[in-house]
Amino acid sequence: KAGVTQTPRYLIKTRGQQVTLSCSPISGHRSVSWYQQTPGQGLQFLFEYFSETQRNKGNFPGRFSGRQFSNSRSEMNVSTLELGDSALYLCASSLDPGGISSYNEQFFGPGTRLTVL
Amino acid sequence: AQTVTQSQPEMSVQEAETVTLSCTYDTSESDYYLFWYKQPPSRQMILVIRQEAYKQQNATENRFSVNFQKAAKSFSLKISDSQLGDAAMYFCAHNAGGTSYGKLTFGQGTILTVHP
Repeated sequence: KAGVTQTPRYLIKTRGQQVTLSCSPISGHRSVSWYQQTPGQGLQFLFEYFSETQRNKGNFPGRFSGRQFSNSRSEMNVSTLELGDSALYLCASSLDPGGISSYNEQFFGPGTRLTVL
Repeated sequence: AQTVTQSQPEMSVQEAETVTLSCTYDTSESDYYLFWYKQPPSRQMILVIRQEAYKQQNATENRFSVNFQKAAKSFSLKISDSQLGDAAMYFCAHNAGGTSYGKLTFGQGTILTVHP
């Protein structure tokens, strides 16, 4: 099976612009989570989508949004970019968390490196 | 809210020797999951090992094992027979389960250097 793919891999934007990042989960995986990784804040959870619904959300401003399509592919959007949004954005997919005794591993994509100038 | 703390920003080990990475966490759940992820310079996150809190037995995966102390909220990773390919950033992570299945809370990471 192909792994999690993220596009684009690298992106350069200027302050005030908006950006859309894409994530294609492993075939059959229904949950997609997004994380932001920066040297200062480390790895922080953005949000998670399951069956086209946002199920969990981290502590990020409303400029960060996402969605999931019926084929489980997900996009995240950042509007009005700020310099502090420069980061590696990681997407992870899992099969279906199911019940508490059947946790499924999150498989990560290679990330999108966003630079805001 | 859950928190995960890795108190060792950097660690080093000689090839073939053993190293232990520390992790403590804080959670109010009685059932949860703990993970160690490896992130090499390629930035690809790779799951190393996981532990279900309801299991008393410590998880092992080949050269990797954990010491899970539930009462102390401690979850350390032991790497035996260290190899050059083990050099990476290691993250400890917690998942609360239930409705928070898709959310991992990560520690700050420990950079592991392996000396030949």
